[in-house]
Parts: sequence; structure tokens; C-alpha cells
Amino acid sequence: AQSVTQLDSQVPVFEEAPVELRCNYSSSVSVYLFWYVQYPNQGLQLLLKYLSGSTLVKGINGFEAEFNKSQTSFHLRKPSVHISDTAEYFCAVSGGFGNEKLTFGTGTRLTIIP
Amino acid sequence: EAEVAQSPRYKITEKSQAVAFWCDPISGHATLYWYRQILGQGPELLVQFQDESVVDDSQLPKDRFSAERLKGVDSTLKIQPAELGDSAMYLCASKPGTEYLELFFGEGSRLTVL
Repeated sequence: AQSVTQLDSQVPVFEEAPVELRCNYSSSVSVYLFWYVQYPNQGLQLLLKYLSGSTLVKGINGFEAEFNKSQTSFHLRKPSVHISDTAEYFCAVSGGFGNEKLTFGTGTRLTIIP
Repeated sequence: EAEVAQSPRYKITEKSQAVAFWCDPISGHATLYWYRQILGQGPELLVQFQDESVVDDSQLPKDRFSAERLKGVDSTLKIQPAELGDSAMYLCASKPGTEYLELFFGEGSRLTVL
């Protein structure tokens, strides 16, 4: 079984400041990690994913995340946020092929302060 | 760009009434999911289809919820009778097949039960 913990339910950040959204996972098998973004009253859009290879993953809209196996973390970062980044961010884990059910965290609401 | 289509976007109903949601996945996508997202929480899997077959419905409340994908293309999720606690966003997602891990989500159907 796998699970995801997003410790911060809300993160306020000033515009153009850096941000880090935290995600820790638990899995007994190979782990594949994702970050999705959800704008108000919309579905989820994939930001980035870690399947294998380089532990630093770059995604859309200037976001990146680093897979850290020893700390079981997959934190999302952006060096300079914009008003348009205001949204809910979800970390998710999959057990991989044959066990590909995607399990989501509870989400982090990112609010950008002008 | 191909999208997952869902309807209706919004539905308000009274408790004990029946309600149905429709999903049309991206063309050629064999795997289809229904997720429920309660306000302030992450999405939770209700049911997974591979073509027309149910792969996982362990979290589907079968006394009132049903889902079908008769021809392995579009899908319907039904709730009868609706209860107050069913108020949530119902998200449909699809992917090409089990060899893929990334899910593509629709805009969702927001249900309010009065």
C-alpha cells in the first residue's frame, strides 16, 4: 500500500518569491511520483512526474521537484511565483505497472499575495 | 488537444433523488477512472475500468453507486438515492492503457445534494 502526506494545507507566498510545497510518501514497492495542479472548479493538470532516472524533475510553468529516496520526499519548488500560480496542488504516488492506482495527498492551497 | 469530456459540470439535486454523470475519455484510451473529491480533500478512487471491464471498485459504495462502460468507450456513474454526504466533485480520468502511469483528467462534475 502507498500513501502521501502533504503537511501544509495552505501556503501564502508573496509574488515573485520562491516557494516549496512539501510531499512525503510511503510505499512498500517501487514508487512513481506526480504533482498535479487544480485551478478553481477545474480538473487536475499534470505538472511533473518522476518515473526513474534523474532525481531532479522539471515540469510545466517553471516548477521542478526533487525525488529524495532516503527522506521519502518529493517536494515541489518554484524560484519565483506569479499570481497565476494560485491554485491547489496535489502530490500523488503510484505503485507502478500492475499496481498503477494513483493515490493522492490532501492537497496544498497556494495563495500568491500581490 | 484531446480532452476528457464530462457532463454535467454542475448538478444540484435533493437527497433521495437519482443522479448520473457522463464521461467521454480521450479517444483510444482504454483505462478509465472515476474519482470523488470532497471539498478540501484529495481525489479518492471510486472505480477503474480497463476497456469495458471493472478492474477495481473496492471503494465504490455499491448500495447506492453504480458505474458502467458498456462499449469500452464512454462511461456513466450513477447515484441512487443521493445523500447529503455525496456532495463532491466527481472527476473522470483516462489513460491509454496499463503501460502508462499518467492520468488525464476531465473538468469534473460538481454535485450538491440538498
